[in-house]
Amino acid sequence: AQSVTQLDSQVPVFEEAPVELRCNYSSSVSVYLFWYVQYPNQGLQLLLKYLSGSTLVKGINGFEAEFNKSQTSFHLRKPSVHISDTAEYFCAVSVTGNQFYFGTGTSLTVIP
Amino acid sequence: DGGITQSPKYLFRKEGQNVTLSCEQNLNHDAMYWYRQDPGQGLRLIYYSQIVNDFQKGDIAEGYSVSREKKESFPLTVTSAQKNPTAFYLCASIGPTRYGYTFGSGTRLTVV
Repeated sequence: AQSVTQLDSQVPVFEEAPVELRCNYSSSVSVYLFWYVQYPNQGLQLLLKYLSGSTLVKGINGFEAEFNKSQTSFHLRKPSVHISDTAEYFCAVSVTGNQFYFGTGTSLTVIP
Repeated sequence: DGGITQSPKYLFRKEGQNVTLSCEQNLNHDAMYWYRQDPGQGLRLIYYSQIVNDFQKGDIAEGYSVSREKKESFPLTVTSAQKNPTAFYLCASIGPTRYGYTFGSGTRLTVV
């Protein structure tokens, strides 16, 4: 079975500072990896995904993530955050592309 | 534009009453999913359907029921057997590429 761990439940960061949201997964087989963002009382939007190929994946809103197979990690980064980045971020893993397992989420708060 | 429509956005019900949450998609996606979201617990899979007239239980199916009579529709009924139904409910679908969910905007159910 697959599982996803997001170690940081809350991350406060000042505006224009860099941020990294951590995600580790467990799986004995190759996986697809995803990051989603959720604004209050809304559904989840896909930020970026890793399917294969280059381990550095670029997504929307200036976010990027790096797949590290040896460390089974898929950390999300942004070099300079904006107030509008305040949201909940979810990491997800899938083996088949058919069913996804989500982490418990990281609440990013950008401080002006 | 194609997407997933969940209605209503907010729903209040008295304890002991059954309630049905609507999920409609016009993406021509085969697979549809229902998730429950509680603070600090991420998303938990309730039911999913990969084809019309077929569906499978997820991790927390007890107290819920679904139907899939049409490709476009996947309603979720929260029954009186669900002990703690107050939560945010998200519907999602996956297309033929199966590379990431499309989510609806969610229904917040409050049982009083």
